[in-house]
Amino acid sequence: DTGVSQNPRHKITKRGQNVTFRCDPISEHNRLYWYRQTLGQGPEFLTYFQNEAQLEKSRLLSDRFSAERPKGSFSTLEIQRTEQGDSAMYLCASSKGTPGDQFFGPGTRLTVL
Amino acid sequence: GEDVEQSLFLSVREGDSSVINCTYTDSSSTYLYWYKQEPGAGLQLLTYIFSNMDMKQDQRLTVLLNKKDKHLSLRIADTQTGDSAIYFCAESSGYNKLIFGAGTRLAVHP
Repeated sequence: DTGVSQNPRHKITKRGQNVTFRCDPISEHNRLYWYRQTLGQGPEFLTYFQNEAQLEKSRLLSDRFSAERPKGSFSTLEIQRTEQGDSAMYLCASSKGTPGDQFFGPGTRLTVL
Repeated sequence: GEDVEQSLFLSVREGDSSVINCTYTDSSSTYLYWYKQEPGAGLQLLTYIFSNMDMKQDQRLTVLLNKKDKHLSLRIADTQTGDSAIYFCAESSGYNKLIFGAGTRLAVHP
């Protein structure tokens, strides 16, 4: 499968724990995006990488959130001290930067108890 | 600021046409998109239109753009039960982040 992959697909954690998600983009895509989707809403932009550089961060990305893309390939999104409000689907997308080529992964569903 | 609005629900009879509407606020939007999301599945890009175009047709899908009113619509001809899903309108400036609406749930009944 040459699409965007995300791991894990599901994560259940207790409030206060740290979690880390991984995204593997399509191999030739230099741009990588993280979004968050809550029930009944559209995806909301969190952050954007071009190669290894993090070029934009949303106000939604509080200090408890950190994202990295160390070698310009896969990316990780870490949430520290999780809160119940962090429960959502976390989506990763990648593109080459041409219109219409932003492809989404299946998402990681986070449930914080 | 950037905002995209859609009606939340649409119900159509199988074989009829569906029209899903969207309004956006960012006048600098260069591309507008329609994505489809089925239960338990990821977001699937259906089609997109450049902001200097009025219309784009792709098989059963027709996108109409009224840039003056910042209004975008998606028409699905001969709607089938397999078209039942949530449809998201999204805008972008350049090739960066997408701003999505809340989605329109399309229900197709016999």
